[in-house]
Amino acid sequence: QVQLQQWGAGLLKPSETVSLTCAVYGTSFSDFYWSWIRQPPGKGLEWIGEINHSGSTNYNPSLKSRVTMSLDTSKNQFSLNLSSVTAADTAVYYCARGDPSMIQDYWGQGTLVTVSS
Amino acid sequence: DIQMTQSPSSLSASVGDRVTITCRASQNIANYLNWYQQKPRKAPKLLIYAASSLQSGVPSRFSGSGSGTDFTLTISSLQPEDFATYYCQQSYSTPITFGQGTRLEIK
Repeated sequence: QVQLQQWGAGLLKPSETVSLTCAVYGTSFSDFYWSWIRQPPGKGLEWIGEINHSGSTNYNPSLKSRVTMSLDTSKNQFSLNLSSVTAADTAVYYCARGDPSMIQDYWGQGTLVTVSS
Repeated sequence: DIQMTQSPSSLSASVGDRVTITCRASQNIANYLNWYQQKPRKAPKLLIYAASSLQSGVPSRFSGSGSGTDFTLTISSLQPEDFATYYCQQSYSTPITFGQGTRLEIK
């Protein structure tokens, strides 16, 4: 059974860095792409980017200057860092598994990140 | 970026109704179109991929069609558990983009 379990700090101040980690269970880590997607309260979904098992990344240009994704293949985990946050970065952040066609078929439970001074 | 536009933004319907939601892409995306269902405080759930393929475990009352720029999601007979928000998503090119969502409410 495929499961993605995510965690990270939920309350940050402006200019700090969001750090989230997602652990993957029940699936090959090397056959898929690993994505982060966010959703501001009451709003739609925004794709942040993805990383594959070899560490190759693809970021949304709108966030590229502030995003870093990494992975730990020994633990089947991948991570997101988003720097210099503002209130506009307040959102539920999801991790997700993507296939080679970039279809996200399994999602983590979501982590609410609130940026407030 | 490819812009995805859904209509309507919200919809009221009754149990048993047939419902159709439309999604339009700003350029040709072939069949790289996926549909997700999201319930409050839950992660999105994949319903339809590649425009018309039903994800495993999804009831057959859900169906998708279309290619190029125009796509539809149809629910043939609404059930109480179908009241949720639905999103289309293009996976033709990065950045992956989503429609703004269609909120399906009980009439």
